[in-house]
Amino acid sequence: DIVVTQSPDSLAVSLGERATINCKSGQSVFSDSHKKDYLAWYQQKPGQPPKLLIYWASTRESGVPDRFSGSGSGTDFTLTISSLQPEDVAIYYCQQYSASATPSFGQGTSLEIK
Amino acid sequence: QVQLQESGPGLVKPSQTLSLTCTVSGGSISGGSYYWTWIRQSAGKGLEYIGRISTSGTTNYNPSFKSRVTISKNTSKNQFSLNVNSVTAADTAVYYCARAPVIKIFGMAHRMGWFDPWGQGTLVTVSS
Repeated sequence: DIVVTQSPDSLAVSLGERATINCKSGQSVFSDSHKKDYLAWYQQKPGQPPKLLIYWASTRESGVPDRFSGSGSGTDFTLTISSLQPEDVAIYYCQQYSASATPSFGQGTSLEIK
Repeated sequence: QVQLQESGPGLVKPSQTLSLTCTVSGGSISGGSYYWTWIRQSAGKGLEYIGRISTSGTTNYNPSFKSRVTISKNTSKNQFSLNVNSVTAADTAVYYCARAPVIKIFGMAHRMGWFDPWGQGTLVTVSS
């Protein structure tokens, strides 16, 4: 199984400031044949299921505000929120879908307002 | 717009079988290039992929569940189901169903992609 580790576990950022969440995969999730990184990001608010934000490491899902962006390749990835809004308070997860049959998630990063 | 909804008992006794159903609306589980999946979330293990069923009925399971898990589908009802047998307290979790795209390379199925959309989730507690 590919172990996925996020950092930090929690983060407090002022409104309007940048928030950065890191995700590290135990193995590269880059596909040589597809030329893509098999990594997604989700946002989960209390009492709700995770919501897809980004796939292919940097492709924003339709309807997701453009203040959310994903970057990175291979084993190291970043989710950036360029200007934190009150509605962005949530837990964020990364997930690899590279392994042959067993996708795995990071442990989550809790984002709050400073 | 596809929507998924989990249903089933909220309380299961240890050693018994946990059975959940996911009802899909707004789209057919027999159409398109998708997998239909189960994921659970617990305080102890976080988000954990359980398994999937394809439109053709092929299943694949997380090896960590060994042989305790079965996923099946009922095309006429547009539902798919999860059974987990021999449950213990460690199986207490919120169980989600979700759809995942089939990633194709050169026209052939290659991988399962990301999870979207998800159902609202259902809490299952294992306790006597």
